[in-house]
Amino acid sequence: AQKVTQAQTEISVVEKEDVTLDCVYETRDTTYYLFWYKQPPSGELVFLIRRNSFDEQNEISGRYSWNFQKSTSSFNFTITASQVVDSAVYFCALSEPPGAGGTSYGKLTFGQGTILTVHP
Amino acid sequence: GAGVSQSPSNKVTEKGKDVELRCDPISGHTALYWYRQSLGQGLEFLIYFQGNSAPDKSGLPSDRFSAERTGESVSTLTIQRTQQEDSAVYLCASSLAHTEYTYEQYFGPGTRLTVT
Repeated sequence: AQKVTQAQTEISVVEKEDVTLDCVYETRDTTYYLFWYKQPPSGELVFLIRRNSFDEQNEISGRYSWNFQKSTSSFNFTITASQVVDSAVYFCALSEPPGAGGTSYGKLTFGQGTILTVHP
Repeated sequence: GAGVSQSPSNKVTEKGKDVELRCDPISGHTALYWYRQSLGQGLEFLIYFQGNSAPDKSGLPSDRFSAERTGESVSTLTIQRTQQEDSAVYLCASSLAHTEYTYEQYFGPGTRLTVT
């Protein structure tokens, strides 16, 4: 069974601070995909990044960066120089690939989410 | 291009009534998913469509829930005899599909269902 744990329920920071959102996952598969989604107050889930289990390179996109550590089953997300517009709920998710012998068909298993509040 | 759309955006219904929720996926996306988001349960998978077949219905919470999809387009999620515990935001997502590769899913704005 797959499981995603986001231990931080809520984080509060002041603008321009760096913040890291933790994500730990469990899966028995050797091939899998990890995702981060953002849910701003408007409610719509916004895709941020997809990473497959064979690609352990860290990724940077502007102020966002992701650290994938297969050895510790973690996929952490860092926002550098946070801004008020970063305030949202952030979800980490795990998916097995379709056709892997399982029956997931790419469905996502989400963590409970981390509420990030950035104060001006 | 257009994203995933869902209707209605809000639905208030009385306990025991049936409701239909609609999802229009991104054009060309053959994979379609329904999820439910509630305070107590977080985000939960309900059902997956590949084309108009549903190979994974494992997340449907009871036989009061059903869904169908027309061709590779619109999907409707039907809840019969609604109960108060059905109150949640119902999210639809679509993606490209591949037999051995998982694409990212794009989500609609959701339908907030309130059962009174």
